Amino acid sequence: AQSVTQLDSQVPVFEEAPVELRCNYSSSVSVYLFWYVQYPNQGLQLLLKYLSGSTLVESINGFEAEFNKSQTSFHLRKPSVHISDTAEYFCAVSDPYGQNFVFGPGTRLSVLP
Amino acid sequence: ETGVTQTPRHLVMGMTNKKSLKCEQHLGHNAMYWYKQSAKKPLELMFVYNFKEQTENNSVPSRFSPECPNSSHLFLHLHTLQPEDSALYLCASSQEQGTIEAFFGQGTRLTVV
Repeated sequence: AQSVTQLDSQVPVFEEAPVELRCNYSSSVSVYLFWYVQYPNQGLQLLLKYLSGSTLVESINGFEAEFNKSQTSFHLRKPSVHISDTAEYFCAVSDPYGQNFVFGPGTRLSVLP
Repeated sequence: ETGVTQTPRHLVMGMTNKKSLKCEQHLGHNAMYWYKQSAKKPLELMFVYNFKEQTENNSVPSRFSPECPNSSHLFLHLHTLQPEDSALYLCASSQEQGTIEAFFGQGTRLTVV
């Protein structure tokens, strides 16, 4: 079975500063990895995903995440955040069949003016 | 707008009431899911329907009763709930169970008084 750890429950950061949200997973099989974002009073939206190929994946709004198999990590980064990035971010993992889909506890990113 | 619509967006109910949550998707998906999102707890998968058949019930109390009359609609019938059942209930759909990407609705914020 898979599990996901997001060590930081809250991350406050000033606007235009860089940010990294950490995600570590454990699994006995190969995995697919995801980051979902939940804006206030909204459902979850897929931000980016790693299935195979290049270990660096990017979203359309400037976020990127890198799959590191040796460190079992999939940290999310953005070089310069905006106020509108304030949201809760969930890391998730599944096996290659899309089964055993597990969410992490989430990290609340607060971007301060 | 993800294509998954949940109604109502907010619901307050007494412990002796009976109410239902509704989820609708017109994405042509065949799998639908109910998740519970409580404060300070990871997302919990409650039920999964694949091609209208319930395939997962993650030890959910019987006071929650799902219904999937067709692939486009999913209901969660509620009766004799407890205050600790107050949470955000999220519906999601995917092409079929095991498909990588799920689309989420905006959720129903349920308060049990």
